[in-house]
Amino acid sequence: GAVVSQHPSRVICKSGTSVKIECRSLDFQATTMFWYRQFPKKSLMLMATSNEGSKATYEQGVEKDKFLINHASLTLSTLTVTSAHPEDSSFYICSASLPNHNEQFFGPGTRLTVL
Amino acid sequence: AQSVTQLGSHVSVSEGALVLLRCNYSSSVPPYLFWYVQYPNQGLQLLLKYTSAATLVKGINGFEAEFKKSETSFHLTKPSAHMSDAAEYFCAVSEGGTGNQFYFGTGTSLTVIP
Repeated sequence: GAVVSQHPSRVICKSGTSVKIECRSLDFQATTMFWYRQFPKKSLMLMATSNEGSKATYEQGVEKDKFLINHASLTLSTLTVTSAHPEDSSFYICSASLPNHNEQFFGPGTRLTVL
Repeated sequence: AQSVTQLGSHVSVSEGALVLLRCNYSSSVPPYLFWYVQYPNQGLQLLLKYTSAATLVKGINGFEAEFKKSETSFHLTKPSAHMSDAAEYFCAVSEGGTGNQFYFGTGTSLTVIP
């Protein structure tokens, strides 16, 4: 149980285009989802916390107009990288909290490459 | 405020040798502590977690960690390293509860030498 999926697993796009990444909790309802960014050989950097039905809470330094997060249902959160540039290339990982548990379950990650 | 420090960004051990990955934390409240493993181009897999029960926690793949409040440590150990243990390991701390933020260490890359 407690499986989180991400789609796509890899995406390559041209500079200036927008890319949407989906994060789904497959077998549980997640009231809170988190989006992380991981640079090569670096730790996970929390970008934002997403609660179903409300606006995401962004960490300091993360541009909310650049990284649009939508948490429309208890099983789906999306991250849209708008007008992507090569510096946005990274590994993006989502996680979800199981209600009444103190653990986060992580998705397999999405490798974004912006040409 | 909470934070995690992982001493040693790279650790190399011989196959069959003891694995010791260090993690120290700071927390203003009783912490929940986690160790995750990450293989290349994959997400994080939970190895084990401490949630205020037994201080010695056993996880998957033969790993275990001991919570030492006096030392604010949660070091990860495995008696005998396997080649398949080569990966990136992350320690994380949380206040617990749904929706609470995790704070990750900078990670330790484990290399196992044949």
